[in-house]
Amino acid sequence: DGGITQSPKYLFRKEGQNVTLSCEQNLNHDAMYWYRQDPGQGLRLIYYSQIVNDFQKGDIAEGYSVSREKKESFPLTVTSAQKNPTAFYLCASSNDLLTASNQPQHFGDGTRLSIL
Amino acid sequence: AQSVTQPDIHITVSEGASLELRCNYSYGATPYLFWYVQSPGQGLQLLLKYFSGDTLVQGIKGFEAEFKRSQSSFNLRKPSVHWSDAAEYFCAVGAGGSQGNLIFGKGTKLSVKP
Repeated sequence: DGGITQSPKYLFRKEGQNVTLSCEQNLNHDAMYWYRQDPGQGLRLIYYSQIVNDFQKGDIAEGYSVSREKKESFPLTVTSAQKNPTAFYLCASSNDLLTASNQPQHFGDGTRLSIL
Repeated sequence: AQSVTQPDIHITVSEGASLELRCNYSYGATPYLFWYVQSPGQGLQLLLKYFSGDTLVQGIKGFEAEFKRSQSSFNLRKPSVHWSDAAEYFCAVGAGGSQGNLIFGKGTKLSVKP
């Protein structure tokens, strides 16, 4: 079945450490997104990518980095510059590059990141 | 700028009762509107979407939503709630332009009493 796979499901970060969250999709979608979810805050956009080798900052990109070397993969790195990384991270994808605003997004099951 | 407001943080209903979750949006043009549901520790599942045409849209799991342009609202309804509907519900609007992402409300948590 087609879908989005996020791994790991749980991740722990030590102080000063960078960690990378994986997101893979086999839906052949052009656009991919990373959201951060905190209790009572809804979803906030970190980064998005509408095509391979191109990505854009979202509303809360500071302390995060991404790459899009392959259409199906959009990993997110939480760097040591992100001082409050504890959150639930959701990856999503949507189909149409030109009309992405009217396409529903498909979500992975998320990665919960905690600080040791 | 686009925004979505879900006025109710938490709602409790009895099983079998009707449900309405409120959503108000701010958007200059005709909006693309979505409702998603999230179970604890899971991703978001699309319930329904509105792009154009009939203002009453049907979704999965017996949900429906009505788009009211005059009130800038897109409320989600279900005539009879089941215990399995307990979850968090998010309303979203398409951001428009080339950005392509969705703007989400902060969510409404639904609890269901037996």
